[in-house]
Amino acid sequence: DIQMTQSPSTLSASVGDRVTITCRASQSISSWLAWFQQKPGKAPKVLIYKASNLESGVPSRFSGSGSGTEFTLTISSLQPDDFATYYCQQYSSYSRAFGQGTKVEIK
Amino acid sequence: EVQLVESGGVVVQPGGSLRLSCAASGFTFGDYTMHWVRQTPGKGLEWVSLIRWDGGATNYADSVKGRFTISRDNSKYSLYLQMSSLRTEDTALYYCAKDGNGSGSYPGYWGQGTLVTVSS
Repeated sequence: DIQMTQSPSTLSASVGDRVTITCRASQSISSWLAWFQQKPGKAPKVLIYKASNLESGVPSRFSGSGSGTEFTLTISSLQPDDFATYYCQQYSSYSRAFGQGTKVEIK
Repeated sequence: EVQLVESGGVVVQPGGSLRLSCAASGFTFGDYTMHWVRQTPGKGLEWVSLIRWDGGATNYADSVKGRFTISRDNSKYSLYLQMSSLRTEDTALYYCAKDGNGSGSYPGYWGQGTLVTVSS
């Protein structure tokens, strides 16, 4: 099975900061990667699909890049609404593994 | 407006069985692959299973293979998860989700979840 590893697990940042989260796959997944945002008590929401495609309605400060085994989610200027937990998920293989999550906290 | 409403979550003893349901509306249910994803309280997400739009193909996580069965009734706009031989580690909030592009990719839209507690 393909394993997904996110780093860091927790990130402390201030409003206006540029934030980058990394997701690594244990083997190549081409560009079959999605990013999700989850706020406490709420269901996850998709931000990015196919590694770099912005989901409709998602602010343009979010962007994704990468292919193969290494991927990044970038928030260009962190906003108060962005403090949340972020997950990557691969959909290349039979079993659609998630990363363990990255919590973005207020510094 | 897309709506996914899960139900069926209860407290069940280890070794027991349970069926979760998900009622869909606001889209053509029979056109979309559907997923189940779970989240242990306070922890991360675990993808559980998916079923193709026509029910003709299913995938499962290794942790549930042989114990859980996903199914659907397109005429009722409903998705199901039959869970058996339940273990304490199956305790989680179970979400159903509509596929992002319809054909078996990522969970693109999620319900609010139903809580399953496996405890003696």
